[in-house]
Amino acid sequence: ETGVTQSPTHLIKTRGQQVTLRCSSQSGHNTVSWYQQALGQGPQFIFQYYREEENGRGNFPPRFSGLQFPNYSSELNVNALELDDSALYLCASSLAGNTDTQYFGPGTRLTVL
Amino acid sequence: QKEVEQDPGPLSVPEGAIVSLNCTYSNSAFQYFMWYRQYSRKGPELLMYTYSSGNKEDGRFTAQVDKSSKYISLFIRDSQPSDSATYLCATKLDDKIIFGKGTRLHILP
Repeated sequence: ETGVTQSPTHLIKTRGQQVTLRCSSQSGHNTVSWYQQALGQGPQFIFQYYREEENGRGNFPPRFSGLQFPNYSSELNVNALELDDSALYLCASSLAGNTDTQYFGPGTRLTVL
Repeated sequence: QKEVEQDPGPLSVPEGAIVSLNCTYSNSAFQYFMWYRQYSRKGPELLMYTYSSGNKEDGRFTAQVDKSSKYISLFIRDSQPSDSATYLCATKLDDKIIFGKGTRLHILP
């Protein structure tokens, strides 16, 4: 086990709704990255947070947003859900400057109907 | 052209065989290369990472990077049924990890 936990495990939403996914980082890790993994694809980088600030973003629209808290837990929020948002959402924690060694959580499976 | 290309498979080999998994990449600025293993319903797990061209060995796993041809390989010796998983190659640019699609591997007992 990596020590990274995510909740919930599964989630079903309808188009247009909003969702919040949660991640608890490995102890001492101050950097968290979020990824979207569609079925049969590799994870796609959404964004990264370091010291509660966004520190890099992939090719995702602004309706994907995040928060990182002082205890290094974090959230991914997605507004105005679309069918294509159905995917496995992964968070990964690491130490700053060492993101080539990221530890992934088990993911949250989001289904948008 | 995708930044990291990987054949999705599936690849089926008998137990004990040597497995060869491969990726190509497009950007010569990529410096770090990683291999992740992902079991069904789990997050990716880092297997190996390497910075330079050449081979890096860890137990039954060998990672190989050829920067001149932009080619990355992972070899698994004495493959076991427990090696059945999806293997993702990845690289890093500006703290962003870029993954290939992953290759599904089945080791047949």
